[in-house]
Amino acid sequence: AQSVTQPDIHITVSEGASLELRCNYSYGATPYLFWYVQSPGQGLQLLLKYFSGDTLVQGIKGFEAEFKRSQSSFNLRKPSVHWSDAAEYFCAVVDFGNEKLTFGTGTRLTIIP
Amino acid sequence: DTAVSQTPKYLVTQMGNDKSIKCEQNLGHDTMYWYKQDSKKFLKIMFSYNNKELIINETVPNRFSPKSPDKAHLNLHINSLELGDSAVYFCASSQDRAQQFFGPGTRLTVL
Repeated sequence: AQSVTQPDIHITVSEGASLELRCNYSYGATPYLFWYVQSPGQGLQLLLKYFSGDTLVQGIKGFEAEFKRSQSSFNLRKPSVHWSDAAEYFCAVVDFGNEKLTFGTGTRLTIIP
Repeated sequence: DTAVSQTPKYLVTQMGNDKSIKCEQNLGHDTMYWYKQDSKKFLKIMFSYNNKELIINETVPNRFSPKSPDKAHLNLHINSLELGDSAVYFCASSQDRAQQFFGPGTRLTVL
């Protein structure tokens, strides 16, 4: 069964600083990977996804993620964070057979001025 | 134009009551899902339906029963509510593995 690990429960970053959120996955085949963001009191919005091809994927709001098969990782990055990026971030992997989406436990991002 | 909508947004009820949460998607997707997000923000799938047929049924108490009258709707009925059912419930839909679109969530509080 697939699984996703987000080792950082909470990260605090200064506004304008760079950001990297870690994600490690476990899946038997080539994974379909996603990053979702959940702002306080809101639903989940897709930031970006990886299916195949270029291992560096660009998403919305200036985010990007890099798929590294050798490390089973799919880390999310942003070169300069904005106060509006404060939210909960979830990494997820989907099972091909039943389209079951398995989420990591999430990383809460706090932005300080 | 809301893609995936849920009603109600908030639901406060007493233990032992029966309640329903409704979900509708106007994206024309074939597959719909229910997820539960607990107080620690952990998201876990409960059910999925493909074209009104149950596909995924995780280990969920049988007090929870999904009902799909048509492929645009997936409702969640909960009988004999318990304190532990308090959570945020998200509906989602997808056409393929490309992306699941999530509703805004329903915060259920059981007193």
